[in-house]
Amino acid sequence: DAKTTQPTSMDCAEGRAANLPCNHSTISGNEYVYWYRQIHSQGPQYIIHGLKNNETNEMASLIITEDRKSSTLILPHATLRDTAVYYCIVRDVNSNYGQNFVFGPGTRLSVLP
Amino acid sequence: SQTIHQWPATLVQPVGSPLSLECTVEGTSNPNLYWYRQAAGRGLQLLFYSVGIGQISSEVPQNLSASRPQDRQFILSSKKLLLSDSGFYLCAWRPRGTLNTEAFFGQGTRLTVV
Repeated sequence: DAKTTQPTSMDCAEGRAANLPCNHSTISGNEYVYWYRQIHSQGPQYIIHGLKNNETNEMASLIITEDRKSSTLILPHATLRDTAVYYCIVRDVNSNYGQNFVFGPGTRLSVLP
Repeated sequence: SQTIHQWPATLVQPVGSPLSLECTVEGTSNPNLYWYRQAAGRGLQLLFYSVGIGQISSEVPQNLSASRPQDRQFILSSKKLLLSDSGFYLCAWRPRGTLNTEAFFGQGTRLTVV
């Protein structure tokens, strides 16, 4: 079972920041938070991951609360091409073999013109 | 650079027919390999994973099987397809020996069993 809960869907205006929340209240000390997204009929695309510090890359920023029980993925300037299902996943860093990316239903983000 | 190839992109098969989906990875050695299935409008379900040639672990009981005849080749098979086998099948790989790397996915095969 997925260890995360996310809203089923969200809308965001084009050009505005999209803030996608994720709750992972049972996260353990060895578990990283990963974000993927899946555009319709394509394979999931990696976005970003982090352990406890906030992370930023060319695609997005990841803000993890101090208690690590929740996080937010931020797309700073959403475009129409960011419309996709966004998955928040927690993964045990010591689980080197399989079973380490458990996908829940995710959040369907619709970027509106 | 590493790439993952998955084929075919789409497939329509009759009930009771066999299935063989192939996935290959280039540019890396000893990867962990995975097969996922995604039913319409739902999240991804892990079906099989492999940490080496001939080593297959199954996550859920099902009508499918997997094999890894070569280091970078992962095959998903069925002897007799069921209607419930329809879905979007995704192959993925992850570097072995590293702890916090991401997984990389192929573009998927959309299987329709009729």
